[in-house]
Amino acid sequence: GIQVEQSPPDLILQEGANSTLRCNFSDSVNNLQWFHQNPWGQLINLFYIPSGTKQNGRLSATTVATERYSLLYISSSQTTDSGVYFCAVEAYNDMRFGAGTRLTVKP
Amino acid sequence: KAGVTQTPRYLIKTRGQQVTLSCSPISGHRSVSWYQQTPGQGLQFLFEYFSETQRNKGNFPGRFSGRQFSNSRSEMNVSTLELGDSALYLCASSLKWTGGRTEAFFGQGTRLTVV
Repeated sequence: GIQVEQSPPDLILQEGANSTLRCNFSDSVNNLQWFHQNPWGQLINLFYIPSGTKQNGRLSATTVATERYSLLYISSSQTTDSGVYFCAVEAYNDMRFGAGTRLTVKP
Repeated sequence: KAGVTQTPRYLIKTRGQQVTLSCSPISGHRSVSWYQQTPGQGLQFLFEYFSETQRNKGNFPGRFSGRQFSNSRSEMNVSTLELGDSALYLCASSLKWTGGRTEAFFGQGTRLTVV
């Protein structure tokens, strides 16, 4: 089946810094989403981005489907950005998740 | 517009018992998928229901089952609980079936502890 790899696994930043999270996938996908898991476990939708670039405030994402990767950019990070970020790809009729990037933003 | 609702939020069960979890999707969504999240295995797909039919199933034993009702609400059942079934169970709602290029929205999850 399709493999989804996220990097880095852990990231520690000072408040105000920028970061880039990466998601590589091993095969063509129909869809790709980025989620932020809050401390209570809920997955919060960040981007639905099978291809192209989208921006939402301090966050933006780019998916290059032909090269099988997606990037999530977080600018001017805040402590509330802390948590685990997952990318999920849709292929072969199910959604596969990466292992996540755990982001810690220190004040 | 109400989001995806999962009940109960927390559950403690004893080994050997069975448990039923419920998921109400976003109004108008017909697909419900279930996922298990554990520290060791991450997020793993359990099964998907669309229009009351199971469309796809992950690699889990037959103790895990589910169903979907005509109002799109879904339940999943785990029989003969094992300690390893302790996990966060998440359900996702989407307009179309997975593979139909549709965005998925998740509920808050049910945290199951088996003792």
